[in-house]
Amino acid sequence: DAGITQSPRHKVTETGTPVTLRCHQTENHRYMYWYRQDPGHGLRLIHYSYGVKDTDKGEVSDGYSVSRSKTEDFLLTLESATSSQTSVYFCAIRSGTQYNEQFFGPGTRLTVL
Amino acid sequence: KQEVTQIPAALSVPEGENLVLNCSFTDSAIYNLQWFRQDPGKGLTSLLLIQSSQREQTSGRLNASLDKSSGRSTLYIAASQPGDSATYLCAVLNQAGTALIFGKGTTLSVSS
Repeated sequence: DAGITQSPRHKVTETGTPVTLRCHQTENHRYMYWYRQDPGHGLRLIHYSYGVKDTDKGEVSDGYSVSRSKTEDFLLTLESATSSQTSVYFCAIRSGTQYNEQFFGPGTRLTVL
Repeated sequence: KQEVTQIPAALSVPEGENLVLNCSFTDSAIYNLQWFRQDPGKGLTSLLLIQSSQREQTSGRLNASLDKSSGRSTLYIAASQPGDSATYLCAVLNQAGTALIFGKGTTLSVSS
C-alpha cells in the first residue's frame, strides 16, 4: 500500500471554517500529490510537491494551500471551507523508479455544511 | 489540454465472460498510462502501468495495451469473476511527469 496514511478519514465542518488534511508517507518519496474526486468530474489534481518546501499548483488549486516541511508529511489546507469543497480527497506518492508510478492513500471524505 | 475518455461508463457481464474496457486520450505526448481499480468507498489500487515506449503489459488475467499514436488504451479482463466488480480508471501522466489526468471510469458489474 506504499505506506500512505491520511487523516482524518472523515470530517464534517461548517462553511467558513479552516480545515487541514494530512498525508503521511513512510518511504521517503520525493513527489506527493493531492487530488479531489467528485461525481461527474473524476479525479483532479489540486497541488503537488516535488520536495521539502517545493510545491506547485494543479488544475483545481483555487481555495487550497499546501505545505511540506518534512519529506513524510504533505498538508492540504482549506483556509475558509465552502460547500463546493465537499469531496473525497486523495493523497498520492510517485515511486522513485523510472516508471513514475503513482500510489494512492485511502482518502478523506470531507463534508462542508 | 489533455482529456481522457472512458467508454462505456458502465458495463454488466455474466461471470466467466472476457471483456474489454476502453480509454482514449487527446494528446499523444504522454510519459505513461496507468490503469487503476477503485472499490466503493475505497482508494485507488494500481493495476498496470504502461510506459509510452511499450505496447502492452500483463498481470494475471489482466492485459493492458497502448497505441500512443492513435491515443488509445484497452484493458482486457479474461474470465471475469464477481470479485472483479469495481470501477476501473485510466490515467495518463504528462511528459513532464507532474500530473496524472484521469478518465471518469468504467463501472463493471460481474454477476454470478
